[in-house]
Amino acid sequence: EVHLLESGGGLAQPGGSLRLSCAASGFTFSSYAMSWVRQAPGKGLEWVSSISSSGATTDYADSVQGRFAMSRDNSKNTLYLQMNNLRADDTAVYYCAKGASSSAYYFYGTVWGQGTLVTVSS
Amino acid sequence: DIQMTQSPSSLSASVGDRVTITCRASQDISNYLAWFQQKPGKAPKSLIYGASTLQSGVPSRFSGSGSGTDFTLTISSLQPEDFATYYCQQYNSSPLTFGGGTKVEIE
Repeated sequence: EVHLLESGGGLAQPGGSLRLSCAASGFTFSSYAMSWVRQAPGKGLEWVSSISSSGATTDYADSVQGRFAMSRDNSKNTLYLQMNNLRADDTAVYYCAKGASSSAYYFYGTVWGQGTLVTVSS
Repeated sequence: DIQMTQSPSSLSASVGDRVTITCRASQDISNYLAWFQQKPGKAPKSLIYGASTLQSGVPSRFSGSGSGTDFTLTISSLQPEDFATYYCQQYNSSPLTFGGGTKVEIE
């Protein structure tokens, strides 16, 4: 069974940093693109970033470009999101999602993790 | 950016009702359209991709149609477990964008 487990969320100060992780199991992690999608409290879904199966290609929403960095370690079946210079409007539940192919583009999530809450507040 | 507009934003329906949700893209996205179901406090669940292809394990009462800019999600006979919020998402081009959601409530 495909399983994704996010961790690393918590409280951060404005301007601070956090690193999220997503541990994958039940599938050949190195064969699939992955994405992060977030959901602010009481709001809809917002795509954050995507990464190709090899890690060679990444794509970011304008709202996080230059502040967030997505990476993966295929030897550890783990996805990461390094979040720097955090702002109050980054407060959200962050979900990792498995794609249907190896490409970072044309991405839709076939399986989603349970999410991890990031709160940015002083 | 491609804007995705869902309607209605909410609806009330009864068990057994036929429910239709509409999603409109601000430009042609061919059939690069996915639908998700989300229940309170839970992660989204993939229902449909390619505008009309059911994800494995999704009940056949769910169906999707459309291409270009206009799409629909239909639940042929609403079941108690279907009360949730539904989102469409285009994956034709970056940035990936979602509709605002349609909350399906019990009448």
